[in-house]
Amino acid sequence: DTEVTQTPKHLVMGMTNKKSLKCEQHMGHRAMYWYKQKAKKPPELMFVYSYEKLSINESVPSRFSPECPNSSLLNLHLHALQPEDSALYLCASSQDDNSPLHFGNGTRLTVT
Amino acid sequence: AQSVTQLGSHVSVSEGALVLLRCNYSSSVPPYLFWYVQYPNQGLQLLLKYTSAATLVKGINGFEAEFKKSETSFHLTKPSAHMSDAAEYFCAVSEVIKAAGNKLTFGGGTRVLVKP
Repeated sequence: DTEVTQTPKHLVMGMTNKKSLKCEQHMGHRAMYWYKQKAKKPPELMFVYSYEKLSINESVPSRFSPECPNSSLLNLHLHALQPEDSALYLCASSQDDNSPLHFGNGTRLTVT
Repeated sequence: AQSVTQLGSHVSVSEGALVLLRCNYSSSVPPYLFWYVQYPNQGLQLLLKYTSAATLVKGINGFEAEFKKSETSFHLTKPSAHMSDAAEYFCAVSEVIKAAGNKLTFGGGTRVLVKP
């Protein structure tokens, strides 16, 4: 069982929809991450929050909007996505800057 | 910039045989290195990590990896493969950005198939 919980597990959305992905951890970790993983590819970093502040944005298009309401929660707001945005979106957390990342099981997103 | 290369996108082994997955890294500073495993339709699970202590690192599920600075390698091994080892394996190098998180760069991954 993973200690990083992501909801929903699956999401199908149209290109005009607005939806949100949610991630939660209760390990007291201070850094949280969003990764995108296309089929048969490694995960690619999108965003990092450190102590609830956005610290890294890997030049992600503005149709993806992260939010960190508190130290346990991380959201990814989606709007006007394209079919090529279909992927597995992984959330991760780490205790601090030097610690390994713990991953959730991901949300499989399909954009139609 | 840091990078990781995994040699072989697919590896096929017989049950009970040695598993060897190769990883070479490039880093301008002493690296933190990791191996993760991903089972179908799941996230990534940490197998083991190297953080400049012992060069031979033992992980979960019988896996271990050896850090060789002279060869810039961090190969993963398991003496005897089990059917449950069939999965995708990722090597990763870490760039620690002070007060900004632990930025992982992944290799391309190696899919392991275990034959009965």
